[in-house]
Amino acid sequence: GNSVTQMEGPVTLSEEAFLTINCTYTATGYPSLFWYVQYPGEGLQLLLKATKADDKGSNKGFEATYRKETTSFHLEKGSVQVSDSAVYFCALSDGSPPTDKLIFGTGTRLQVFP
Amino acid sequence: EAGVAQSPRYKIIEKRQSVAFWCNPISGHATLYWYQQILGQGPKLLIQFQNNGVVDDSQLPKDRFSAERLKGVDSTLKIQPAKLEDSAVYLCASQQGPGLIAYEQYFGPGTRLTVT
Repeated sequence: GNSVTQMEGPVTLSEEAFLTINCTYTATGYPSLFWYVQYPGEGLQLLLKATKADDKGSNKGFEATYRKETTSFHLEKGSVQVSDSAVYFCALSDGSPPTDKLIFGTGTRLQVFP
Repeated sequence: EAGVAQSPRYKIIEKRQSVAFWCNPISGHATLYWYQQILGQGPKLLIQFQNNGVVDDSQLPKDRFSAERLKGVDSTLKIQPAKLEDSAVYLCASQQGPGLIAYEQYFGPGTRLTVT
């Protein structure tokens, strides 16, 4: 079945460091890919998405490129801030109507220190 | 626009007791999801509604869990009787369109259930 694998955390960085959180997936067909973020005490929020191969999703300085050849969707940010400290979830949707449930990875906790 | 509302935010019960969670989705959203997030894991879908009909409940433990979405708006998720392994955060999410690929799912803050 479809699945998502994320790198384990926590990832600990100093402010302004470069961030990469690895995500790979297993899926049949052509899934859409997502990164969700969960700030402390809050619900999940969509950070970015990509719906087809070679698409690049971007938001708030974060980017991820849908790589079909390597079945990956790694999250990157050039310069992290303390406010980016959160748990990041990679997810896929197989987009098979009418059900388009999200399948999540286990999450990666990011801690950014001043 | 108001987000997805859930209540209660926290609940502590003893095993074998029953509990119910409530969700109010974003106005006009046809699709509603309940996810279970166990500590250290990603959310896992329990049930998906489209309006007031069930689309997918393949991972719902039907011997103890039940859910309904009357009138295609609010939804309740019930556990009866609860087990220790039901301790988790229960997330409700809603989406604008039924089966529309890659439309954003909006999540509520969740209900944290502790079963002792």
